[in-house]
Amino acid sequence: DTAVSQTPKYLVTQMGNDKSIKCEQNLGHDTMYWYKQDSKKFLKIMFSYNNKELIINETVPNRFSPKSPDKAHLNLHINSLELGDSAVYFCASSRTPGQGWGMNYGYTFGSGTRLTVV
Amino acid sequence: TQLLEQSPQFLSIQEGENLTVYCNSSSVFSSLQWYRQEPGEGPVLLVTVVTGGEVKKLKRLTFQFGDARKDSSLHITAAQPGDTGLYLCATGTYKYIFGTGTRLKVLA
Repeated sequence: DTAVSQTPKYLVTQMGNDKSIKCEQNLGHDTMYWYKQDSKKFLKIMFSYNNKELIINETVPNRFSPKSPDKAHLNLHINSLELGDSAVYFCASSRTPGQGWGMNYGYTFGSGTRLTVV
Repeated sequence: TQLLEQSPQFLSIQEGENLTVYCNSSSVFSSLQWYRQEPGEGPVLLVTVVTGGEVKKLKRLTFQFGDARKDSSLHITAAQPGDTGLYLCATGTYKYIFGTGTRLKVLA
C-alpha cells in the first residue's frame, strides 16, 4: 500500500555513467516533485510537474532530465554522473498546490534513493 | 527567494524534557507545514498552519503560527526517544521550500 514508491533505494555508480530513478504514486495526486537532500540534510527542490507538465526547473544542470509519462509517474534520468551528484533524492507528490491545504494537507514523500558516485 | 531559518540546528535532550523549535522567515507565509524525517525515510507531514496566531495540537506536539505569519514554533512536551528525528518547516506552492532543519535526539 506504499503511497509514493521510489526505486532503487540505493544506487552506487562510477563517474560518467548514466542512471535513472523511478517514482510512482498511487494517491491520485496530480503534482509530483524531485528533491535533493545533501549531506547537511538540506532539502532543495529540483523539479515540479503538474499533470505531466514541467512547472518548476530550479536551475538544475541539464544532465538531469525528468520525465513524466503520466500523472502517477515521474522518473529522473541523470547523464554523466559527477561526484557532486552524490546525495539522497526524494520523490514527492501532492494535490495541485493551494487546493485544500488549509485542511492539514501537504506533500507525501517517498523513502528516498541514496545515490553514491565513486 | 524566501528563506526559512530554523533554530536550534541541533538539540540533544533527556527523555521527559520539554523543547521548542523555531522557524523564521523575512517574508509572510501563506501557510506553513511541519514535517518529521526519520533516518532512511522521507519527511512525513505533521501539521499545516494557515491563520495568524493559530495553535494546533498533535498529542504532545503543539504548533503555533505567529500573528504576522512570518514565524512558527513547534513545542514538544515530555519528549520521548521516539520523537528523535529531523524536524522541518516548509512553505510554498509549486516552488515548495524547506527550512534548514532541526536535528533532535532524545536520550532514554
